[in-house]
Amino acid sequence: DGGITQSPKYLFRKEGQNVTLSCEQNLNHDAMYWYRQDPGQGLRLIYYSQIVNDFQKGDIAEGYSVSREKKESFPLTVTSAQKNPTAFYLCASSMTGLNTEAFFGQGTRLTVV
Amino acid sequence: AQSVAQPEDQVNVAEGNPLTVKCTYSVSGNPYLFWYVQYPNRGLQFLLKYITGDNLVKGSYGFEAEFNKSQTSFHLKKPSALVSDSALYFCAVRGGSYIPTFGRGTSLIVHP
Repeated sequence: DGGITQSPKYLFRKEGQNVTLSCEQNLNHDAMYWYRQDPGQGLRLIYYSQIVNDFQKGDIAEGYSVSREKKESFPLTVTSAQKNPTAFYLCASSMTGLNTEAFFGQGTRLTVV
Repeated sequence: AQSVAQPEDQVNVAEGNPLTVKCTYSVSGNPYLFWYVQYPNRGLQFLLKYITGDNLVKGSYGFEAEFNKSQTSFHLKKPSALVSDSALYFCAVRGGSYIPTFGRGTSLIVHP
């Protein structure tokens, strides 16, 4: 059953703590993305990767880090430097061809407690 | 460079009436346009896309979209709205970059 899986669905972070959000895909897609969604602000790009061991900053990368050690996996770490991390985080993947659609995971809702 | 604008934060329509959700775009080169739907606390689901050819594109759940090159628009439509169509709708473009750029989203509310 092909798809993209994010875990956990809900995550709670204490002040000053780093947390890692998991994203795995078995669609054999080259490109993977992390977006942050806040009410009324649409989707904002955090990081993206086109190939293993390479990734680029998106529009709001400060306070976040990623790795791409395997084609299937693109975990996102929310560090203590991210001052306002409470949001809904979406992982997506796609082929790099311009005419192909992106596939999304079910999202992780991160809350600072 | 590429960008998408969804001029309406919210669209209200009565069940059984036609609906339109608006999208305009800007891109260097040929545009590849997409519509996605998002239900509460879920990821985005692909609805339909325009690549080339027929300006009227048909997609999932009875939705269609009309591509208009002169107006740089790609409006989402459905002839008869259902209450279950109530959701957040996103327009996206690829063209200047392989990275999809999304609009801010339009909340569609269908009243019984």
